[in-house]
Amino acid sequence: QSALTQPPSASGSPGQSVTISCTGSSSDVGAYSYVSWYQQHPGKAPKLMIYEVSKRPSGVPDRFSGSKSGNTASLTVSGLQAEDEADYFCSSYAGSNNLLFGGGTKLTVL
Amino acid sequence: QLQLQESGPGLVKPSETLSLTCTVSSGSISSSSYCWGWIRQPPERGLEWIGSVCNSGSISYTPSLKSRLTISVDVSKNQFSLNLNSVTAADTAVYYCASRKWYSFDNWGQGTLVTVSS
Repeated sequence: QSALTQPPSASGSPGQSVTISCTGSSSDVGAYSYVSWYQQHPGKAPKLMIYEVSKRPSGVPDRFSGSKSGNTASLTVSGLQAEDEADYFCSSYAGSNNLLFGGGTKLTVL
Repeated sequence: QLQLQESGPGLVKPSETLSLTCTVSSGSISSSSYCWGWIRQPPERGLEWIGSVCNSGSISYTPSLKSRLTISVDVSKNQFSLNLNSVTAADTAVYYCASRKWYSFDNWGQGTLVTVSS
């Protein structure tokens, strides 16, 4: 099983929108609606931002949204704010009780 | 909200066994709503799912570690544990425990750095 593929970096100016992709295969992202996204600030534990492709846990701003098309999932951050600067990781169920993570994307707010 | 805290040695010698415990508070580990999992993050690298245990008795391990790995639950102590044997420098990482609902990790411990070195 290979890790999911994410771009190593993304950036945007305050107020803009940025989208981060997460590409898997027909055995994981494409097969199940169990894609999650995590935000990780330096030295901190990851925080769940999106689950089941597009659902937000309580307390997560609606500026964060998720979607999926085929074998690629996406996280969109709208109205970028300075505190959104962090690493973002996707994950997907891959069948047989296996989970995969992406390599992570460093989001920079310019 | 569930709180989780990892504990265990920060330094393990090569070929020995890495043992970590996760203590769950503000909730019961026997709750049918949750599974419990371990995730690790090597320095300056991404996240890697290690394995999960559910109260149904189901235990799952990532294929690359399966032969060296044991995850168990101690309901009486509200804890779950990780044992990884025959460690090498490649096992050096921050190890996180987390609660899992369906296939998302919604509550995380703060993480503990484990270094494999002689």
